[in-house]
Amino acid sequence: SYELTQPPSVSVSPGQTARITCSGDALPKQYAYWYQQKPGQAPVLVIYKDSERPSGIPERFSGSSSGTTVTLTISGVQAEDEADYYCQSADSSGTIRVFGGGTKLTVL
Amino acid sequence: QVQLVQSGAEVKKPGASVKVSCKASGYTFTSYGISWVRQAPGQGLEWMGWISAYNGNTNYAQKLQGRVTMTTDTSTSTAYMELRSLRSDDTAVYYCARAAHGDYWGQGTLVTVSS
Repeated sequence: SYELTQPPSVSVSPGQTARITCSGDALPKQYAYWYQQKPGQAPVLVIYKDSERPSGIPERFSGSSSGTTVTLTISGVQAEDEADYYCQSADSSGTIRVFGGGTKLTVL
Repeated sequence: QVQLVQSGAEVKKPGASVKVSCKASGYTFTSYGISWVRQAPGQGLEWMGWISAYNGNTNYAQKLQGRVTMTTDTSTSTAYMELRSLRSDDTAVYYCARAAHGDYWGQGTLVTVSS
């Protein structure tokens, strides 16, 4: 079955840049989506179609894609950005979707 | 504004079935599909499947094939997810989300499977 691979954890100091990667063989063909989830809350979409930002999401959130890896970048990290982040995409057929294992972002 | 409101928490015994509802408002229901995602305690997100609210077409995660059924009622803008033959490892918060990529999410429904 198809898998997306994320690092379990990333730590940054406030004001620094956090980069969270997500790797998968079908990513050159399928868009990636990123979600932020805080404890006890439903996920929130922060990036769609690799690099588009939904309305209401701060500009410090951005996404990029290169080959089989997509990256969520948070510039000027704030304490409120501490959360779990998940990537999601589809397999090569486009019909089955999968989430990465999630990355816990810690703001030191 | 777009809202997805899910039904309340459930406690079920192993072997039973559960049906979770997701009532949509604030948009044309048949213009978007509904995805279902679950999250076991302390674990990550797991994609369960997707249903087109336009024609009822479905795609299910392979591991749930045969146990899960997703349906919609366009007259009430409500989506349903039924999971049968429940096991303890089905204990999770179940979410509905609009569209395949989940641009809006419901509040979640805790399903506890315990004898």
